[in-house]
Amino acid sequence: QKEVEQNSGPLSVPEGAIASLNCTYSDRGSQSFFWYRQYSGKSPELIMFIYSNGDKEDGRFTAQLNKASQYVSLLIRDSQPSDSATYLCAPRGGGGADGLTFGKGTHLIIQP
Amino acid sequence: NAGVTQTPKFQVLKTGQSMTLQCAQDMNHNSMYWYRQDPGMGLRLIYYSASEGTTDKGEVPNGYNVSRLNKREFSLRLESAAPSQTSVYFCASSDHTNTGELFFGEGSRLTVL
Repeated sequence: QKEVEQNSGPLSVPEGAIASLNCTYSDRGSQSFFWYRQYSGKSPELIMFIYSNGDKEDGRFTAQLNKASQYVSLLIRDSQPSDSATYLCAPRGGGGADGLTFGKGTHLIIQP
Repeated sequence: NAGVTQTPKFQVLKTGQSMTLQCAQDMNHNSMYWYRQDPGMGLRLIYYSASEGTTDKGEVPNGYNVSRLNKREFSLRLESAAPSQTSVYFCASSDHTNTGELFFGEGSRLTVL
């Protein structure tokens, strides 16, 4: 049984600050990881994909992966009110077609 | 490019009624999925189809049936709706031989009275 743990929040961060979102997972076979963003009433959309240990940067977003600790995080620099959303973590297993197991998500609120 | 299209977007049913949620993708993906999302529960996989002609149970399949009609279409049927099936349903597709990223439809909000 794959388990993915995220702090549900809400996580409140002032505008312009760094938002740090964390995710732990139980399946040591997970090779790659997705971060999805979901605005209220909308469907999830992919914002980051990481498959190597270390950091991956894309604009204001940085994903950090530590496979030994089974831990992945997402940093959002210079947080904007438009970043207010729920962020879902999903580790991918052995490459099969059985879909993704999502964490319950962290609700992020950026305070103007 | 429409991506993943779900219908209907909203539906209200009475307990015991049946209905089918339709999903179609135009990305030539082999794999398709149905998830439900409830407050505090996150996204949970109901059924998936790894390829045309195959379907498998996910985490919460009870009360549902699916049909992979062809490569493009994957439908979810509720034979006898129950209030516990009130939820938002998302269809998704992926090319699992690549990154495995899921592309989601806009969702279908179902209320069972």
